[in-house]
Amino acid sequence: DADVTQTPRNRITKTGKRIMLECSQTKGHDRMYWYRQDPGLGLRLIYYSFDVKDINKGEISDGYSVSRQAQAKFSLSLESAIPNQTALYFCATSDDAPGLAKTYNEQFFGPGTRLTVL
Amino acid sequence: GQSLEQPSEVTAVEGAIVQINCTYQTSGFYGLSWYQQHDGGAPTFLSYNALDGLEETGRFSSFLSRSDSYGYLLLQELQMKDSASYFCALFNQAGTALIFGKGTTLSVSS
Repeated sequence: DADVTQTPRNRITKTGKRIMLECSQTKGHDRMYWYRQDPGLGLRLIYYSFDVKDINKGEISDGYSVSRQAQAKFSLSLESAIPNQTALYFCATSDDAPGLAKTYNEQFFGPGTRLTVL
Repeated sequence: GQSLEQPSEVTAVEGAIVQINCTYQTSGFYGLSWYQQHDGGAPTFLSYNALDGLEETGRFSSFLSRSDSYGYLLLQELQMKDSASYFCALFNQAGTALIFGKGTTLSVSS
């Protein structure tokens, strides 16, 4: 079974609808992240969380909200979807703060959710 | 602020060696990472340099020069399956989350 799972894998919705993307992990990591990917723009950070009581905005948080329901679950919501939120969304997890040891740096990504807003 | 620059595309043939460069600007440095992403798939970790020098992992190597704010990923003995996008990344100023470059698309032909 995959360590980081995302549901749904694909979603088509209409402008103005509220939708939720879900992420679950079995790696036992405390840190979880949401990124969006647009062609030619790389991965941009939306929100991240270090535990259930810690939520932090990333570089493009406007129009999004998140919920950390448990250590293993981190959900991303689009309160009122708009077409320019059409993108590939990735959840990721990591174990610890950056440092000199490689294992502290690696992020593990889920398979992604392809969202289309019409 | 922070930024990373890398070429948008690189092409090469099977068996060749290719180098993907990454220059960055940051005020707080915690190391430079490299990730690989096949079309539409999840990014996967390749390499990490916290200190100057070369890190080797099989056919892939990564180099860092902190004084030049520069790193590169070196792919040797290229195979068709190496066709993918490659991203350099560094931690934000607080050291709490990764900031990614826009990616380099590598196309390997036979």
